[in-house]
Amino acid sequence: KNEVEQSPQNLTAQEGEFITINCSYSVGISALHWLQQHPGGGIVSLFMLSSGKKKHGRLIATINIQEKHSSLHITASHPRDSAVYICAVLSPHSSYNTDKLIFGTGTRLQVFP
Amino acid sequence: DAGVIQSPRHEVTEMGQEVTLRCKPISGHNSLFWYRQTMMRGLELLIYFNNNVPIDDSGMPEDRFSAKMPNASFSTLKIQPSEPRDSAVYFCASSKAGGPYNEQFFGPGTRLTVL
Repeated sequence: KNEVEQSPQNLTAQEGEFITINCSYSVGISALHWLQQHPGGGIVSLFMLSSGKKKHGRLIATINIQEKHSSLHITASHPRDSAVYICAVLSPHSSYNTDKLIFGTGTRLQVFP
Repeated sequence: DAGVIQSPRHEVTEMGQEVTLRCKPISGHNSLFWYRQTMMRGLELLIYFNNNVPIDDSGMPEDRFSAKMPNASFSTLKIQPSEPRDSAVYFCASSKAGGPYNEQFFGPGTRLTVL
């Protein structure tokens, strides 16, 4: 079982729909990243959060540390939101004096006009 | 301000050859990361540097891989000898400080094909 699981793996939506992408993890973490990878391959960091909620434009990220779960919401989705969304957690390293990044496998979102 | 610069953007080489990938981080950023992305394994952190010093190289697959950061504006990832299973997209990213605890800015990636 992967330490970081994302669901769904694939998601299609009509323009304007509300989107939710989920990330569950089985390890202790200090923080969680959400990344967006565009169809052309470029990667953009969306959020880093360790508690509560963050909002940027139409994107909202929440995290529940007790439940080991984070969600990424997109309101009023648009075709330009079509991308792969990747969750990554920072978890204590067993042999290094730093946290390690563990990535989920990503959720592929397609938004149709 | 220019973003993270990687070169080359594409590299095709034959098994056994040495490959060197290059990265110039954003000016003023103190942390630099090398990632590998494949269909099978997704995105993986290979190594990261803080103030030019390697902090975590636990993701480096094996001794064929080495990374250096001789100064704050340049880093290399070398594979010697290369193997077909090294074919992947290699991303470099940088952040202002604090390693993976800050927002990272990614370069466009180098697509490596080893025949």
